[in-house]
Amino acid sequence: QQPVQSPQAVILREGEDAVINCSSSKALYSVHWYRQKHGEAPVFLMILLKGGEQKGHEKISASFNEKKQQSSLYLTASQLSYSGTYFCGTLSQAGTALIFGKGTTLSVSS
Amino acid sequence: NAGVTQTPKFQVLKTGQSMTLQCAQDMNHNSMYWYRQDPGMGLRLIYYSASEGTTDKGEVPNGYNVSRLNKREFSLRLESAAPSQTSVYFCASSERFGPSGAFFGQGTRLTVV
Repeated sequence: QQPVQSPQAVILREGEDAVINCSSSKALYSVHWYRQKHGEAPVFLMILLKGGEQKGHEKISASFNEKKQQSSLYLTASQLSYSGTYFCGTLSQAGTALIFGKGTTLSVSS
Repeated sequence: NAGVTQTPKFQVLKTGQSMTLQCAQDMNHNSMYWYRQDPGMGLRLIYYSASEGTTDKGEVPNGYNVSRLNKREFSLRLESAAPSQTSVYFCASSERFGPSGAFFGQGTRLTVV
């Protein structure tokens, strides 16, 4: 039931790009993306609804392939501030339980 | 605007002791959640409440109970703490179907010795 994220970790230099993937075996209503800095609470980035719509947040965007039950988070021209752990969260068709993947740790260095 | 407030922030318990983690939100959200976070395991859902008066088990409910006291408050109780419950606990809230995402409290770091 827990969505599967890949890769587990990414190491980048400033300005490089990264893609984080999230897949689920269950039919989804929506996919959420969050970022957590060390020692802090997760912070909402964006939500993807059924329909494959792509959303954007600064230089971070995401897509949702409803047929494949997959979402991808795209980080372009990464900045030091992008470092942290990224979680995808999937919401059931009933819109009740929000289940998270294990996270992808992103480290950006100068 | 406080958002989601959790208390306490830190707690040390002895095995077998009980305690209640408190959570309150001021955003008029219907849905509230309790998660635990352990290294390498991500955020695992313990219990959730889709609306006032309802609660449901999540992925890891054993050893916990919850109460949705009213629309604002959602508490998590450990009846007999065990070392395996050492973790960071997060409360979160959202509108149903979460169109604006979930908002998290600052977490409670619990150690059971």
